[in-house]
Amino acid sequence: QKEVEQNSGPLSVPEGAIASLNCTYSDRGSQSFFWYRQYSGKSPELIMFIYSNGDKEDGRFTAQLNKASQYVSLLIRDSQPSDSATYLCAGNSGGSYIPTFGRGTSLIVHP
Amino acid sequence: EAQVTQNPRYLITVTGKKLTVTCSQNMNHEYMSWYRQDPGLGLRQIYYSMNVEVTDKGDVPEGYKVSRKEKRNFPLILESPSPNQTSLYFCASSKRKETGLGNFLGGFGYTFGSGTRLTVV
Repeated sequence: QKEVEQNSGPLSVPEGAIASLNCTYSDRGSQSFFWYRQYSGKSPELIMFIYSNGDKEDGRFTAQLNKASQYVSLLIRDSQPSDSATYLCAGNSGGSYIPTFGRGTSLIVHP
Repeated sequence: EAQVTQNPRYLITVTGKKLTVTCSQNMNHEYMSWYRQDPGLGLRQIYYSMNVEVTDKGDVPEGYKVSRKEKRNFPLILESPSPNQTSLYFCASSKRKETGLGNFLGGFGYTFGSGTRLTVV
């Protein structure tokens, strides 16, 4: 059973801080990882994807992938109250058409 | 505007009354999928389609049917809905990504529809 694990939270951070969201996966064959943001009652929205070990930056967001440790994270710098949402991590195995989603981490950014 | 369109957004129905939730995408994506989302259980895949006339079961296919007669459309059919199918449903699509290691879909991530909140009483 391929699994993607996330702490459900909530993770609470003050406005302006760095929020760190973490995800571990069980399938060593996983090659592609995605972070989605989902506001309450809304659909998931793709934030970033990462394929290679290391960091990938896009604005205030940085995705980090460590395949040896089977660990992927999302850092949000200068967190804003509008970043308050559930963040879903998903992974694809190289030959799989089926992504595996984690259950999501709830982030609360308080003023 | 590139989008996945689901209809209806909200639906209340009675047990056993057949219903169809429509899904259409205008991005020429090969891959389409249906998910349901329930509190504490996250997103669970119902069915997916890799291309026209190619569909396969996901993790929770019981009680659902799909068809992919055209590339843009991927309707979800509940032949005889039951209360345990009360849920929030999402359609998603993705472009195929080819790599040297073989082809896989979803490599660019998914675009989700706005969701359909279904209640079966």
